[in-house]
Amino acid sequence: GAGVSQTPSNKVTEKGKYVELRCDPISGHTALYWYRQSLGQGPEFLIYFQGTGAADDSGLPNDRFFAVRPEGSVSTLKIQRTERGDSAVYLCASSLTGPTSGVDTQYFGPGTRLTVL
Amino acid sequence: DQQVKQNSPSLSVQEGRISILNCDYTNSMFDYFLWYKKYPAEGPTFLISISSIKDKNEDGRFTVFLNKSAKHLSLHIVPSQPGDSAVYFCAARKRGGKLIFGQGTELSVKP
Repeated sequence: GAGVSQTPSNKVTEKGKYVELRCDPISGHTALYWYRQSLGQGPEFLIYFQGTGAADDSGLPNDRFFAVRPEGSVSTLKIQRTERGDSAVYLCASSLTGPTSGVDTQYFGPGTRLTVL
Repeated sequence: DQQVKQNSPSLSVQEGRISILNCDYTNSMFDYFLWYKKYPAEGPTFLISISSIKDKNEDGRFTVFLNKSAKHLSLHIVPSQPGDSAVYFCAARKRGGKLIFGQGTELSVKP
């Protein structure tokens, strides 16, 4: 079946602009995660949704970052007043049940490369 | 603080030999450890995991070893193949779901 998809694959914007990044999880997966990966580093956790609600948003760096998942499927990561330091690959992952039992493997999309000029 | 560390940024191995990738962690509260493989321009792909109550898990050519007293885990790939060339990330899961990743090790398997 289809994996996790993310759009756009690349986004170039100017400092101060607003951007939205979209994630389509694997069908039927209830848990959805956003991570950010900077050059030479591993992915860094941003936020985790269980269904429609944000179960853990402790990784969001500041209030310019916001994410929604209104119907428990597609999620949008929103970044206001972008800064050059926001440039990174933004990765989305989904898992079947969330961390209720077992390892509940997270499956990643290809990412959106955001460049803030 | 870096809770999960991969101290070797790169590793080069001859085809057919064993590849050993290492990972250290600091937090005793992690409940699962996972290895992901990443090719350029793709997202990480899940390889293998191990529960914190186990010390070994094997899946085909891939074996993960966990040494809780040393807070150390390793991924063994044997025999290594050129298609295994990629960046390998160690990740630890906190109860609650989020994964904490290491910095990655770039494996190069030479024919």
